[in-house]
Amino acid sequence: EAGVAQSPRYKIIEKRQSVAFWCNPISGHATLYWYQQILGQGPKLLIQFQNNGVVDDSQLPKDRFSAERLKGVDSTLKIQPAKLEDSAVYLCASSPEVGTGAGNTIYFGEGSWLTVV
Amino acid sequence: AQSVTQPDIHITVSEGASLELRCNYSYGATPYLFWYVQSPGQGLQLLLKYFSGDTLVQGIKGFEAEFKRSQSSFNLRKPSVHWSDAAEYFCAVGGVGSYIPTFGRGTSLIVHP
Repeated sequence: EAGVAQSPRYKIIEKRQSVAFWCNPISGHATLYWYQQILGQGPKLLIQFQNNGVVDDSQLPKDRFSAERLKGVDSTLKIQPAKLEDSAVYLCASSPEVGTGAGNTIYFGEGSWLTVV
Repeated sequence: AQSVTQPDIHITVSEGASLELRCNYSYGATPYLFWYVQSPGQGLQLLLKYFSGDTLVQGIKGFEAEFKRSQSSFNLRKPSVHWSDAAEYFCAVGGVGSYIPTFGRGTSLIVHP
């Protein structure tokens, strides 16, 4: 079974530029997550989708971050304009269902590493 | 609000020695608890999870964790560490009514030969 796919793996941009990350979840998984992991910290949820609807985007900086999952499968996370503090790993994850219920394991991709200079 | 505390930023052990990584959680109801491992340049991999039942949970790669409700803890253990276990370990908590798990800051495991 293929895992969660992310691209690009690495990106270096200048501040005020834009960047987009793509994620393809495990086939059949209804729920997709984008996490931000700053060096030395645990992952922080940015946005959670169930199919093509947003479940939780309360921690997404909406003035510069946007995400979509138009067809309920793959997803794109965009940052525009980027700031120095956006340097982090952006992890995409998926799970069969919403919530942390028994059996609903969250599977993570390898991450997209962003450096803003 | 739910939270996780991993009090040790770094842990150093010798190969073959035993390991215990500490995790304390705060959650208003019965928690679901998770341990994930992140190798350098990789995403997070689930080691084990606790939802209910036996408080001693077995996971992959020879890891186990014990849920202690009275201490609000879910410590991760391994009897004999291998050099390949060097990685970042994250504890996370969720539960009924919680849409997402909350992660701790992580503990970096260093293994000496």
